[in-house]
Amino acid sequence: DIQMTQSPSSLSASVGDRVTITCQASQDISDYLNWYQQEPGKAPKLLIYDASNLKIGVPSRFSGGGSGTDFTFTISSLQPEDVATYYCQQYDNLPLTFGGGTKVEI
Amino acid sequence: QVQLQESGPGPVKPSGTLSLTCAVSGGSISSDNWWSWVRQTPGKGLEWIGEIYHIGSTNYNPSLKRRGTISVDKSKNQFSLRLNSVTAADTAIYYCARGGSYSSFDSWGQGTLVTVSS
Repeated sequence: DIQMTQSPSSLSASVGDRVTITCQASQDISDYLNWYQQEPGKAPKLLIYDASNLKIGVPSRFSGGGSGTDFTFTISSLQPEDVATYYCQQYDNLPLTFGGGTKVEI
Repeated sequence: QVQLQESGPGPVKPSGTLSLTCAVSGGSISSDNWWSWVRQTPGKGLEWIGEIYHIGSTNYNPSLKRRGTISVDKSKNQFSLRLNSVTAADTAIYYCARGGSYSSFDSWGQGTLVTVSS
């Protein structure tokens, strides 16, 4: 299985701050990497697909980058509604696997 | 916009069978998509269980040790999960989602909590 390692596991930042989360794959996954947001008590929601493509309707303050084994997810200006846990997920190989999540607080 | 809704009978006893159904609305289950089950526990996070394509092709997570079966009912526009020989470790929130192989999970059900307890 491909292991996905996210860091940090949690962070606290202020409104307006730039926030960056990293995700490392245990082997090369090209750009087969997605990012999800999960608000408390809700299902995950797709934000970014194929490492850097923003899903239609998702605010432009969210962005993603990277390829191969190292990926980043950035919130350019943290907003109160961004309080959530964020997950990366690879779909290069089965079984599909997720990172452990990063809890973002204000 | 496609919507997914999980349903199931509630608590399951240890060694019993967990059965869930995912009803798809706003789109056809026969579209060019894989349909997946994902579960979430506090201890193991998000875990992909398996997926099905409308022609019946399936893939499963080996971690289930062959206890899972995913099926599709095109006439009802829904797909289902059966998980045999459940233990307390199978207690989780179960989500159905559109996507899997070759794509992201771009639509999710609201999730249903399944508790395995005697």
